[in-house]
Amino acid sequence: DAKTTQPPSMDCAEGRAANLPCNHSTISGNEYVYWYRQIHSQGPQYIIHGLKNNETNEMASLIITEDRKSSTLILPHATLRDTAVYYCIVRFPLQGAQKLVFGQGTRLTINP
Amino acid sequence: EAGVAQSPRYKIIEKRQSVAFWCNPISGHATLYWYQQILGQGPKLLIQFQNNGVVDDSQLPKDRFSAERLKGVDSTLKIQPAKLEDSAVYLCASSFRDMGTEAFFGQGTRLTVV
Repeated sequence: DAKTTQPPSMDCAEGRAANLPCNHSTISGNEYVYWYRQIHSQGPQYIIHGLKNNETNEMASLIITEDRKSSTLILPHATLRDTAVYYCIVRFPLQGAQKLVFGQGTRLTINP
Repeated sequence: EAGVAQSPRYKIIEKRQSVAFWCNPISGHATLYWYQQILGQGPKLLIQFQNNGVVDDSQLPKDRFSAERLKGVDSTLKIQPAKLEDSAVYLCASSFRDMGTEAFFGQGTRLTVV
């Protein structure tokens, strides 16, 4: 099962792009990379996911390296409301269902 | 679309007492998850249901924790008897199907065992 490594904390200035890295060097070919975030006192919230290609939605962009061993979540114009813990997750198959296993995540602080 | 509903929001019990948490997933979601989140840590998966069948409960402390999903819809997580180290937020999540779909989380139940 692929595991992920993320920096425990990061800071970013409001209005700048926040780039959150994630290493998943043992990822296998059919495993997806997911990103969730958890704002204080709330349940985790889905952000984006991808398999091989870069992905973009209204919340963020996901850049996956060609060898798929690492990825970067980009929040293009960070706001104070983006302060949260961000989790990078690699999902693996289990009897046809996919477990959703969280690590420690990166605590992102957006500074005014 | 209504979100994942959990109750109660807060619960305080004494050690060795019993407690139950309830979760109502989003309508039509086949997969349901229960997580335990201790302060300062990431959520830990306790059990995952696919409809009313268990697909993974490897991290569920079965000597004191139990969970069921009646008719593949609502779910209940029970702790009996509770220990001090069970103090945590218990999160329920659901997703429509397996591959590539996002999971939606409830607000959680904050349990304090004294």
